[in-house]
Amino acid sequence: GAVVSQHPSWVICKSGTSVKIECRSLDFQATTMFWYRQFPKQSLMLMATSNEGSKATYEQGVEKDKFLINHASLTLSTLTVTSAHPEDSSFYICSAQSGIGEQFFGPGTRLTVL
Amino acid sequence: QQQVKQSPQSLIVQKGGISIINCAYENTAFDYFPWYQQFPGKGPALLIAIRPDVSEKKEGRFTISFNKSAKQFSLHIMDSQPGDSATYFCAASIRTGGFKTIFGAGTRLFVKA
Repeated sequence: GAVVSQHPSWVICKSGTSVKIECRSLDFQATTMFWYRQFPKQSLMLMATSNEGSKATYEQGVEKDKFLINHASLTLSTLTVTSAHPEDSSFYICSAQSGIGEQFFGPGTRLTVL
Repeated sequence: QQQVKQSPQSLIVQKGGISIINCAYENTAFDYFPWYQQFPGKGPALLIAIRPDVSEKKEGRFTISFNKSAKQFSLHIMDSQPGDSATYFCAASIRTGGFKTIFGAGTRLFVKA
């Protein structure tokens, strides 16, 4: 089956620093990847859609200058949380889309900003 | 119109029983309806999915029932087991325009041993 990895699985950082999260599709090429944020006991909130070789499309209310997304290849997308603050602490999940529209999710990254 | 309404919010079922989770949508352009299972601290995993030209799909103990005219679909878990205890999300997406997926709010299932 399709496998999507995320790195790191958890990260703790100080307020004001930047954190980069990687999302990789291991056994298929994904022209589209998605980044989600999930708060405890809540559903997934789509942050942005990442297309290989083009700028990401951000959902309303998501600051594109704060959450930088790069989709440099068909198997890698990165999310950089810039100048992180405690309110950015959350569970970040990526997904990669197959050619027939199925989404496969990564295991998530737990970000804690002190 | 883009919402997917999921119920119940939480569900407790005895081991061996049937778990039923329901979802409803408004946008008739949706053409792909997956269900995801999520354990605490993990990413969602695709469980089973259905397209609107099919009324039912079964994979092992998991069955999706789809009612196109009512714009509703449901997940049935037969012979529910404690290991099925997780949060389940229904979703709907459109295969054109980027395949954006809309998720339901989730159902926390607890199967009592």
